[in-house]
Formats: sequence, C-alpha cells, structure tokens
Amino acid sequence: EVQLVESGGGLVQPGGSLRLSCLASGFTFDDYAMHWVRHAPGKGLEWVSGISWNSLTIDYAASVKGRFTISRDNAKNALYLQMNSLRPEDTAFYYCARARQLGLSWFDPWGQGALVTVSS
Amino acid sequence: DIQMIQSPSSLSTSVGDEVTITCRASQSVVRYINWYQQKSGKAPLLLIYGASNLQGGVPSRFRGSGSGTDFTLTISGLQPEDSGTYFCQQSYTSPFTFGPGTKVEIK
Repeated sequence: EVQLVESGGGLVQPGGSLRLSCLASGFTFDDYAMHWVRHAPGKGLEWVSGISWNSLTIDYAASVKGRFTISRDNAKNALYLQMNSLRPEDTAFYYCARARQLGLSWFDPWGQGALVTVSS
Repeated sequence: DIQMIQSPSSLSTSVGDEVTITCRASQSVVRYINWYQQKSGKAPLLLIYGASNLQGGVPSRFRGSGSGTDFTLTISGLQPEDSGTYFCQQSYTSPFTFGPGTKVEIK
C-alpha cells in the first residue's frame, strides 16, 4: 500500500523553527517528485514547495521562499521541510504529496497531515 | 500567478441529484487541471487528473471536462458519501494554485 506519514508538527513561537518529515512506503520513492501543501484553518489549500526525484530542481511559493527549505533523502524514503522564521500565518496542516514530476502532474496520494501552530 | 476561481462556493443538494462545479483559470492551463475531494479532518483525495481522467478507484459518477480556462466537475447521482469540499488545482505552471473550494452538503 502506498503510504505517506508526516511527523514533526507542533506549537512554536513566532520566529522559531520546525522541521517536518514525511516517510514514504509502498512505492519506489526516487521515481517521484514530492511536494508540500498546506491548509490553514478557514482558508484554501496552498502549494508550499516541490522537489524533483533527484533534488536537482526545487521550487517554493513566494510566501515561504527564503524561510523554508525542502529536501529529501532517497536512501531513507524521506522528505523534509525545514521551516525557519515562522510567522502566525504559517499556522496550518502541512501535507506531503507524491507527484510524477514537479509540474504538469497531480498530487496523489497525500499524507494525513501535520499540524503546525505558530503562536506566542 | 494563475488565479483559480470556483463556483459555487457552497451548495446543498439531495441524494441522486446531479451537481456541477465550475473552475475558471485566469489564463490558459491547457488541460492541466486536477480535482480533489476533501472531507473534514482528512487529507485531500485525487478524483480527476488532466481535466478528464478518472483516478483509479474513484466512482464513475465523477466526471471532469474542459480545456483552456474553463473546467467542470460533474457528480451524477449524488451519494451521501460525496459530501465534502471540492478543489480544483492547476499544475501548468508554478506556483501550483488551488481554487478556494466548493462545499457540497447533502440534505
């Protein structure tokens, strides 16, 4: 069964840092690009970042560029999102999702989500 | 950035009805549109990819159509389990933007 499991969410103060992890199983991880998508309370879905299978191509939403860093470890079937200089508006459920390629593709499946709360 | 507009924002309908949700992109995305269903507290689920391709395991009552800037998700013969929020998403160009969602309530 294809599965994505996020971890690392929690409560952090504004200006703080957090690292999310996404562990993949049930498929050949390095055959796929991976993405992070977030869903803030009462708001719509927002694509955050994507990384190609070989980490050579990385892309970010303008709202997180310079603060968040996406990475992956194909040997560990793991995807990461390092989040620095966190702001209250970063509060959201963060989902990792698989895609055939960075663009011109679709997100399937998605993980169950990790809640990040930025508050003092 | 490509803006995605969905309508309606919400609807209330009955079991067995046909529902149509529209999604309009601010510029052509060819056919690079995907549709997702999200239930409260759950991760989104892919329904349709590439405007009209049904994802494996998704019931055939879900149908997608359109090209360019205008797209439609149709649910025929609505079932109780179809309640939730539906999002369109363009994958044509980064940032890969989503529509604001259409909340479907079953009476």
